[in-house]
Formats: sequence, C-alpha cells, structure tokens
Amino acid sequence: QVQLVESGGGVVQPGGSLRLSCAASGFSFNNYGIHWVRQAPGKGLEWVTFIRYDGSTEYFADSVKGRFTISRDDSKNTVYLQMNSLRAEDTAVYYCAKAHDRSRNYFDYWGQGTLVTVSS
Amino acid sequence: EIVLTQSPGTLSLSPGERATLSCRASQSVSSSYLAWYQQKPGQAPRLLIYDASNRATGIPDRFSGSGSGTDFTLTISRLEPEDFAVYHCQQYGSSPPYTFGQGTNLEIK
Repeated sequence: QVQLVESGGGVVQPGGSLRLSCAASGFSFNNYGIHWVRQAPGKGLEWVTFIRYDGSTEYFADSVKGRFTISRDDSKNTVYLQMNSLRAEDTAVYYCAKAHDRSRNYFDYWGQGTLVTVSS
Repeated sequence: EIVLTQSPGTLSLSPGERATLSCRASQSVSSSYLAWYQQKPGQAPRLLIYDASNRATGIPDRFSGSGSGTDFTLTISRLEPEDFAVYHCQQYGSSPPYTFGQGTNLEIK
C-alpha cells in the first residue's frame, strides 16, 4: 500500500535551517510528483511546494520562495525539503502528499506530518 | 492566484441531518479541478472528492460533490458520527499555487 513518511521536524531558532524528508513506498515513485503542504497550529492548509515526477520543475508558494528548496532522490524514493532563513510564521505541521497524476495535482495520499517549531 | 472561500466557517448539525458545504472561487476553476478533503483532529487530511464530483476510493456514497466554474458544493446526505470533522476544498486547475479554502468545521449540535 502507498505510504509516505515524513521526518526531520523539530525546534529551530529564527534564521536557522532544517531539512525535512519524505520517504515513499508502495507506488512507482519516479512516475509521480510530490507536494509539501503545511498547517500552522489551529489554521487551515497551505500549499508550500511541488516537484515534478522527473525533478525537472519545482514550484513554490510566494511565502517560502527564495528560502526553501525541494529535491528528490529516486534511488531512495525520497523527497527533501530544505528550509533556510526560518521565521516564526513557518511554524507548522508539514505534510508531504502524492500528486494523483502528471496533469492533476490533487493529493490522493498524505503522510502523517512532521512538526516544525521556529522559536528562540 | 485563485482564492477559495468556504462557507459557513462552522456548521452545527445533528447525526442523520444533511450537510451542505460551499466553496467559492475568485475566478473560474478550469476543468472543474476541485477537490475536497476531510481532516480529523491530529490526523492528516483524507481525499474525499476530486474533479468536483468524483468520489475517491473507499468514500461512502453519502458524500457527493457538485459545481463548476466558481461555485462548488460538498453534500453529506445523512450525517454519521464519524463525519464530524473539518472539510477543506482545494483547486488544482491552474498553475501553482494550488490553493485551499480556509476550511469548514462541521460540529455536532
């Protein structure tokens, strides 16, 4: 069955960095794009970033552009989210989610999430 | 960027009643590329509906989606106790950002 498992969350000071991982299994990883979606405490969902199935293109929300990068290692079935220059407003649960297919970016499978807390 | 506005913010109903949740887009959502997700406390969201009206695998038929253009609706025909949760709509019809609505909290009356 499809599984997505996030890791790497934790507490970091403002201005610091953190790298999240999303390990996938149960599907043909190199055929699907992967998204990151976050949810601040008590708030709604916010789409953060996306990497295409072949790693050729990435997209970012304006709120993280220039600070976050996304990459994938198909040999490890893993997507990485590198977060730099972190701010208090980046505090959230970060979910990775699988794109349904190459043309429709709804999220048919989600990980359980990893909590990132930016605080001094 | 397409802004999605969900209403109401909170909906209080009893089991057995019918729930109607709205999601309105600031501009037309191409190809009716709109999804609905259910989220319970402490859990990841779960896909319910995609392409505005198609139920995801394993979703009971009491859940239905409708709409096109800028107005979309999620209907739960007869509420079961496990249906009380937060519901999010999301559009994927345009290039990124793939925006979400702010959510509707469906609570037990």
